[in-house]
Amino acid sequence: DIQMTQSPSSLSASVGDRVTITCQASQDISNYLNWYQQKPGKAPNLLIYDASNLETGVPSRFSGSGFGTHFTFTISSLQPEDIGTYYCQQHDNLPRVTFGPGTKVDIK
Amino acid sequence: QVQLVESGGGVVQPGRSLRLSCAASGLTFTSHGFHWVRQAPGKGLEWVADIWYDGSQKYYADSVKGRFTISRDNSKNTLYLQMNSLRAEDTAVYYCARDRARAVLDSWGQGTPVTVSS
Repeated sequence: DIQMTQSPSSLSASVGDRVTITCQASQDISNYLNWYQQKPGKAPNLLIYDASNLETGVPSRFSGSGFGTHFTFTISSLQPEDIGTYYCQQHDNLPRVTFGPGTKVDIK
Repeated sequence: QVQLVESGGGVVQPGRSLRLSCAASGLTFTSHGFHWVRQAPGKGLEWVADIWYDGSQKYYADSVKGRFTISRDNSKNTLYLQMNSLRAEDTAVYYCARDRARAVLDSWGQGTPVTVSS
């Protein structure tokens, strides 16, 4: 199975800061990488699909990039409503979908 | 607007069974595959199972294979997860999610909690 790692595991940043999360796959997954946001007590929500495509309705301050084994997720200007945990998910090695361990984002 | 509503969760003793349901609306149910994803208390997301749009293919995580069965009733727009031989480590919130294409999970239910405890 493909293993996914994320760093950092948590971060605290100020409103307006640029925030970057990295996700690494244990083998080449092309661009088959999605990013989800999960706010406390809520279901996950798709933000980015296929590494860099912004889901409809998602604010443009969210972006993603990467290919192969190394991916990044960026919030260009952190807002209070962005508090939550962010997960990457590979969908190359189907049917075995795997998620990263998550990155918890807080406001400083 | 796509809506997925899970039900059937609860407290159950180890070794017993439970069936979860996920009622879908606002979409063409027969056009999509669906997944179950779970989240143990304070932990991350774990994929559990998925089923193709027509029910012809079903896949399971190793942790539940042989104990859980995913199914769907396209006449009722409903997805199911039959969970047998439940263990303490199955305690989690269970989410159903729509597969837009190739495991891009673009709509999720609110989740139903399952607690396995004596």
